[in-house]
Parts: sequence; structure tokens; C-alpha cells
Amino acid sequence: QKEVEQNSGPLSVPEGAIASLNCTYSDRGSQSFFWYRQYSGKSPELIMFIYSNGDKEDGRFTAQLNKASQYVSLLIRDSQPSDSATYLCAVRRDDKIIFGKGTRLHILP
Amino acid sequence: KAGVTQTPRYLIKTRGQQVTLSCSPISGHRSVSWYQQTPGQGLQFLFEYFSETQRNKGNFPGRFSGRQFSNSRSEMNVSTLELGDSALYLCASSPKWGDAYEQYFGPGTRLTVT
Repeated sequence: QKEVEQNSGPLSVPEGAIASLNCTYSDRGSQSFFWYRQYSGKSPELIMFIYSNGDKEDGRFTAQLNKASQYVSLLIRDSQPSDSATYLCAVRRDDKIIFGKGTRLHILP
Repeated sequence: KAGVTQTPRYLIKTRGQQVTLSCSPISGHRSVSWYQQTPGQGLQFLFEYFSETQRNKGNFPGRFSGRQFSNSRSEMNVSTLELGDSALYLCASSPKWGDAYEQYFGPGTRLTVT
């Protein structure tokens, strides 16, 4: 079992709708959780982090964490074409950052 | 404030050769982490340096090594290159060791091994 798993996609979402990206992790010792956005040909950039159960909102982005079920999700409200990118889920465990392979998101104009 | 810089941006090497990649962190950042990104394996952690000391290491063979200088600049070396080493090598800097809350990636070095 991979430490951090994501559906590779592509996930196609109409413009203006909510995009929902999911991630599961295997190690219950994971401490904090991150979402990175990576545009094609560019390097990843951190967009959200969360370390407590529940929701964390930042603008159009909401990160959700459920440690009992070992999943993290990212919701993007009012999706825009500029949100089209690969979204990487990452977890911090033992001072290392473990990344999932990413979900490609495509926002349909 | 200038971002993380990596040189060179593109590199083509032959199997068996060695290569050195360079990373200059954001001013004031003392931690530099290195990652390998491939389509098959995704983004994988190589190692992290802080104050010239390797603080963490991923599951890569000993052919992959690195170092950090007193000005926080870091280099990564890969010896005896294999075709499978073709990848995008990213470095990321942060103010503190193990700090992912404020980690910024450089543009990467695209290494092709033929």
C-alpha cells in the first residue's frame, strides 16, 4: 500500500462548480497534511496545510482532515480555468514530507 | 526577495557519468531539501540539509549525495548515472529544518540520461 494515495484523474469539473480532490494516507503517525498545486512545466506551490481534524478554509479553498478515516480532501469552490493543474497531497511524518502522485484537475470552460 | 534558484535548468548526460546540480535558497532560509520527480514515481524525497548537516534522507541509493555550504547553498551529486535517473530534480528551501509550512520550490533541473 502506498503511503499517500490519490486518484490520478483527470478530474473534469465545469467552470463555477465545486472540485473535490481526495487523498488517503497509510501511516497513523502522520502529523500534518499539505496540498500543493503544480501547473504543467512548473514547480509545486503550497496552497493549504492542515493538522487538526475538521475543515480549514482559505478563500475558495477548503481542506478537510479526518484522521480516524485517514483521509484528506481539498475542495475548490467556484472553479476557474486557472485552477486546472495537478494537485499533490503530502503528509509530514518523522520530519519527512511524503507526496502522493497527484490528481490532474481540468476545469471545463 | 528572490526565489529559489537552480542551475543548470537542463542537462543531458550519458550513462555512467556523474552530475552535480546546484540550488540557492531564498535569502535567510537555512534548510534545503531535494526531491526527484518522475511520471511513474511522482515526487520523492531525497534528502534535507540544514546548517551544513544532512538531517534527513529518503530511500535512494548511495549514488545520490549532497552537501550544503555555509551560505546555505546546496549541491546534489549523482554518480554513475543510470537511465532511470532521468527526472526533474527539485530543491526546496525553508527557514527551519523539517518546515513544510513555509517551503518554496525552485524551478527544477531537468536531467536526461542517454
